Amino acid sequence: DAGVIQSPRHEVTEMGQEVTLRCKPISGHNSLFWYRQTMMRGLELLIYFNNNVPIDDSGMPEDRFSAKMPNASFSTLKIQPSEPRDSAVYFCASSTGTSCLFGPGTRLTVL
Amino acid sequence: GEDVEQSLFLSVREGDSSVINCTYTDSSSTYLYWYKQEPGAGLQLLTYIFSNMDMKQDQRLTVLLNKKDKHLSLRIADTQTGDSAIYFCAFPNRGSTLGRLYFGRGTQLTVWP
Repeated sequence: DAGVIQSPRHEVTEMGQEVTLRCKPISGHNSLFWYRQTMMRGLELLIYFNNNVPIDDSGMPEDRFSAKMPNASFSTLKIQPSEPRDSAVYFCASSTGTSCLFGPGTRLTVL
Repeated sequence: GEDVEQSLFLSVREGDSSVINCTYTDSSSTYLYWYKQEPGAGLQLLTYIFSNMDMKQDQRLTVLLNKKDKHLSLRIADTQTGDSAIYFCAFPNRGSTLGRLYFGRGTQLTVWP
């Protein structure tokens, strides 16, 4: 199994641009999570899905952030427009109920 | 949200034992987890313990759970330089194994040769 796959691994963009992060969860895992990690705030849960349905999006910072899970094997996190304070590492994780496994992350830099 | 506390830094010499501590507030969690994050990498699930256990041993790793004091610890025996990383304890909310995990801030372990 390839594990959780995220793309791109690195993204550098300018303020105001749209950014889309992608995630392919582990096959058979029915929960998917988007986390953000920064030095200041540590790991923050942005949103999570169960069976492709958003369950808790209370961690999404503001309306500029949106996430979708059109099917069991794909999810996107979109930031539009991006701002420098969005710079962070964004992790996708998937879970089968016992263990939650993380992808390698996308390092986003907004200039 | 749940409150999870960890000390931020720990330094040990190679070959010594390391003990990383974590305290939590929610006592209904069914599983309690330890993750390891190496520089520039994602979080790797290291081990977990069921809440009805006091101890779990896995090679050089020993997890101790004190439910009365709501204290979880990770002991690494014969610590190696390759163990240098950030270690996170994590708990699911309200005993759920399908919901979110609450993470501590992480303990930066530095191993000196």
